[in-house]
Amino acid sequence: TQLLEQSPQFLSIQEGENLTVYCNSSSVFSSLQWYRQEPGEGPVLLVTVVTGGEVKKLKRLTFQFGDARKDSSLHITAAQPGDTGLYLCAGARETSGSRLTFGEGTQLTVNP
Amino acid sequence: NAGVTQTPKFRVLKTGQSMTLLCAQDMNHEYMYWYRQDPGMGLRLIHYSVGEGTTAKGEVPDGYNVSRLKKQNFLLGLESAAPSQTSVYFCASRLLAGGPGQYFGPGTRLTVL
Repeated sequence: TQLLEQSPQFLSIQEGENLTVYCNSSSVFSSLQWYRQEPGEGPVLLVTVVTGGEVKKLKRLTFQFGDARKDSSLHITAAQPGDTGLYLCAGARETSGSRLTFGEGTQLTVNP
Repeated sequence: NAGVTQTPKFRVLKTGQSMTLLCAQDMNHEYMYWYRQDPGMGLRLIHYSVGEGTTAKGEVPDGYNVSRLKKQNFLLGLESAAPSQTSVYFCASRLLAGGPGQYFGPGTRLTVL
């Protein structure tokens, strides 16, 4: 059973479109992180959210942590080909110490 | 400052062979992790370490062993490789549990025939 469910699994859009990726769980997380991974490389941290309802912006990317700290979303405005990659959410629970639980990822392709 | 490095980058093994993957970090991070990444499975934690001389099992530890003799190095061993261990292996490090996120290495692509 996957603790963190990401949707959609695959997303192919045209340059300039907006999109939202979701990360959902039935468990409460003390913090949630979003990573982006490009082919042949390791994941790179984009953001960490720790407070329920928190919203963080990174240029055209907006990250939100759910009020109950069970879910999160990533919204990209005016997507560009450079946004193409695998987006992973990862949650930390109070009981898991230093460990993270990763979602399966959303493969985003932005076509020029 | 190289961050997290992994050696080798690619390796092909025959069933039953053994090998060691090396992870090194130069950021003085306390925590280190080994993951495997398979299509449709995301990143799964194999073993991790919360400091020099310590190791702990993750989600999928069977068939793997680890050692953290020095703070900057975390070794992952396969004693008798099996085809099911064909995967991409990532090492990661983190300063502290409540600190910034994990820093990942570039990965090792392992094929077991």
